[in-house]
Amino acid sequence: GQNIDQPTEMTATEGAIVQINCTYQTSGFNGLFWYQQHAGEAPTFLSYNVLDGLEEKGRFSSFLSRSKGYSYLLLKELQMKDSASYLCAVRPPGTNAGKSTFGDGTTLTVKP
Amino acid sequence: SAVISQKPSRDICQRGTSLTIQCQVDSQVTMMFWYRQQPGQSLTLIATANQGSEATYESGFVIDKFPISRPNLTFSTLTVSNMSPEDSSIYLCSVEARGGFHGYTFGSGTRLTVV
Repeated sequence: GQNIDQPTEMTATEGAIVQINCTYQTSGFNGLFWYQQHAGEAPTFLSYNVLDGLEEKGRFSSFLSRSKGYSYLLLKELQMKDSASYLCAVRPPGTNAGKSTFGDGTTLTVKP
Repeated sequence: SAVISQKPSRDICQRGTSLTIQCQVDSQVTMMFWYRQQPGQSLTLIATANQGSEATYESGFVIDKFPISRPNLTFSTLTVSNMSPEDSSIYLCSVEARGGFHGYTFGSGTRLTVV
C-alpha cells in the first residue's frame, strides 16, 4: 500500500519562498507528482519527479529523494494567487501506472 | 494535453435517487479514472474505466453503487446510485496526459449534494 504525509496547512508572505514537504512509504514507486488545486476547482499538474534531484520550472521547483521517501515543492516569489491546496501523489509501477495515490494536501495561504 | 468536459458541474439530489456524471475527452484515451474528493480531503480513486471491458474498482467501491460505462475511447459515465448524504462529494474524472509523464488532466468536477 501507499502512505503519504504532508503538512495540513502553511502560511507565507507574498514575495517569500515556501517549501512544502511530502514523505511517502510505498510498496512500489514510479514517480511523484505535485498538483495545485484552487478552492472549488480541479487539480492541475505542476511537476513530475522520477529520478533523484531538483526539477525547476519557473517559480516552482520540485525535489525528490527516493532513498529517503521524500519530496518537496518549492515556491518562490510567492503571489496571492498561489494560495491553494498542493497535493503530492505517488505513481505506482507496472500496469497500475494510472492509479496514483494522493496525499491529503497542504493548504497554503499567502498573506500580503 | 487532453481537454475534458464534465457535466453536470453541480447538482442537489434527493436521497435514494441516482445521478449520472458524464465526461467527454477531446482525444482517444485508453483509460479514464474516476475520483471522489470529500470535503476537505484528498482524492480517492473509485475505479478505472477501460473501453470494451468492465471497470476495475478500488477497495471500498462496488459496481452496484457506482456503475460505470465506457462505450468508446472518448467518453465515460459514472452513476452514483441510491444516494445518501454520505455521497455528498466532488466527483472528478481524469485521464493521463502525454503518457503519464505530465500527470493527469482532470475534468472540472461535479459537486454533488445529497439532501
